[in-house]
Amino acid sequence: SQELEQSPQSLIVQEGKNLTINCTSSKTLYGLYWYKQKYGEGLIFLMMLQKGGEEKSHEKITAKLDEKKQQSSLHITASQPSHAGIYLCGAPQAGTALIFGKGTTLSVSS
Amino acid sequence: DAGVTQSPTHLIKTRGQQVTLRCSPKSGHDTVSWYQQALGQGPQFIFQYYEEEERQRGNFPDRFSGHQFPNYSSELNVNALLLGDSALYLCASSPTAPDRHYYTEAFFGQGTRLTVV
Repeated sequence: SQELEQSPQSLIVQEGKNLTINCTSSKTLYGLYWYKQKYGEGLIFLMMLQKGGEEKSHEKITAKLDEKKQQSSLHITASQPSHAGIYLCGAPQAGTALIFGKGTTLSVSS
Repeated sequence: DAGVTQSPTHLIKTRGQQVTLRCSPKSGHDTVSWYQQALGQGPQFIFQYYEEEERQRGNFPDRFSGHQFPNYSSELNVNALLLGDSALYLCASSPTAPDRHYYTEAFFGQGTRLTVV
């Protein structure tokens, strides 16, 4: 079965700094979803990548899908306290049945 | 648009009891999936409903069952509750995918926090 590993598990960055979160799959990635979660709450959809090499941006967040490396990265530019939370990557098994990584907890210090 | 709504938000049950959780999908979405998220873990896929039938199922026992209604809303039922069933239960809705290799956006509700004592 497919597994997703996220790195780092957690990180603390100073406000204004850039950061990158990685999501590596044990099998070929045919698509990748990124979500953000506040502790104990639901998942907020960030973006979905469907093709190898695809790159999408939303505000200060950019995600890329590297099909060959079976990896996706999420990059945040000029981090703000509002970026703090748990970032989860999910890969489709069939349709929208997703498997998820364990998440990366981001803290932003001001 | 209210998005995906779940009820109740919190629930406390005793071991051995049964529980029903409810989900209303985002307007225009006809596919509903349920996930279980334990503390510190990513969500685990339970099952997915489309056209009132279970279309896919994850690795969960038969104690977990569901239903989808004609208006696309859905229920998750868990029988004979165990302490290990304590978790955040998340519902996600998505529009119809033309086939299994076409991926659509999936939006989640706020979840139901179930505590089994």
